[in-house]
Amino acid sequence: GDSVTQMEGPVTLSEEAFLTINCTYTATGYPSLFWYVQYPGEGLQLLLKATKADDKGSNKGFEATYRKETTSFHLEKGSVQVSDSAVYFCALNLDSNYQLIWGAGTKLIIKP
Amino acid sequence: GAGVSQTPSNKVTEKGKYVELRCDPISGHTALYWYRQSLGQGPEFLIYFQGTGAADDSGLPNDRFFAVRPEGSVSTLKIQRTERGDSAVYLCASSLDPGTAKNIQYFGAGTRLSVL
Repeated sequence: GDSVTQMEGPVTLSEEAFLTINCTYTATGYPSLFWYVQYPGEGLQLLLKATKADDKGSNKGFEATYRKETTSFHLEKGSVQVSDSAVYFCALNLDSNYQLIWGAGTKLIIKP
Repeated sequence: GAGVSQTPSNKVTEKGKYVELRCDPISGHTALYWYRQSLGQGPEFLIYFQGTGAADDSGLPNDRFFAVRPEGSVSTLKIQRTERGDSAVYLCASSLDPGTAKNIQYFGAGTRLSVL
């Protein structure tokens, strides 16, 4: 079945470090891919998305490229801030199936 | 409203009781989704409404769970004879264009249900 696998957390980094959170997927068909972020005490917010192969989604300094050949959608940021501390979820959605399928989430902790 | 609103934010109940969780979607969004999130996991799909009808309820775990959306806006998730295993955060989302590449789901803050 369709699934999303994320690297386990927590990921702990110092401020201004480079961030990568790995995400790979298994899907029949051609999914849209998403990164959502959940800040402490808040709801899930869409961070970025990509709807077809080689698309790059970007927002707030975060980027992810839809790689069909490696079925991946890794999240990157060049210089993280303490305010980026949150849980990050990778998800996919098939056009023929409206429900989002989620990874388990990766908790990111940024230390000053 | 500006975003998806869920009430209550927290609900504590005793095993065997009945609970209702409410979701008020973004105005104009025809699609509404319920998910359940257990600690340390990603959300798990429960049910999807398109307008007033439940287009897919395949994620509801058993017949103790039921959801309605009588006027195509507010939805209520109902859980009968609650069990301790029902304890989780229940998330509601809404979207404008389900089933397309525009399918961005907007989430509420969730209702944390604790069954004692």
